[in-house]
Amino acid sequence: ELKVEQNPLFLSMQEGKNYTIYCNYSTTSDRLYWYRQDPGKSLESLFVLLSNGAVKQEGRLMASLDTKARLSTLHITAAVHDLSATYFCAVDSDSGTYKYIFGTGTRLKVLA
Amino acid sequence: GAVVSQHPSRVICKSGTSVKIECRSLDFQATTMFWYRQFPKQSLMLMATSNEGSKATYEQGVEKDKFLINHASLTLSTLTVTSAHPEDSSFYICSARRDPAYNEQFFGPGTRLTVL
Repeated sequence: ELKVEQNPLFLSMQEGKNYTIYCNYSTTSDRLYWYRQDPGKSLESLFVLLSNGAVKQEGRLMASLDTKARLSTLHITAAVHDLSATYFCAVDSDSGTYKYIFGTGTRLKVLA
Repeated sequence: GAVVSQHPSRVICKSGTSVKIECRSLDFQATTMFWYRQFPKQSLMLMATSNEGSKATYEQGVEKDKFLINHASLTLSTLTVTSAHPEDSSFYICSARRDPAYNEQFFGPGTRLTVL
């Protein structure tokens, strides 16, 4: 069974702290996508990682991809309250159908 | 670029009625669109893959006669929830696939369906 697991599922952190969200997957995909979802809203694209070793940064968020380990990380630097949201990773399925397999999601709460 | 719209954003209906949700790619053509549903505090669950000019491909456990999908043009897919019941209440999100090289999906803003 194809799986995408995120760790942790819930994260409560203080403003100014650093933390990393992990995304492990079982497909052979060499592409991975990170999304943010605010309550009651749809998904907002954060990063598209297209190859092994890819690293992208936007503000306080940095994402990386290791396709050999089938692992992606989303690192948060000096968290601020506005980063509070649910974060999802997704990978291409192996089936050639263009479907995504979504991770379980990580609910992040940044405490002021 | 790569904007996807959904209409309506919110709908409340009585049990037994049918509801149609539209998904449009506004500035690109999409031969493939996807329909997801999301329950509170859960991840997205793929319901079906919508292919322009052909039948949709449904995921296991999704009733094709209950969730009718039509993808009649390169910019429009519709999801009709037939004979809706309270358990169909959910957040429905569509996405459209634009660039074959990247296989990236672009997501619509979602439709909140409440069945009374």
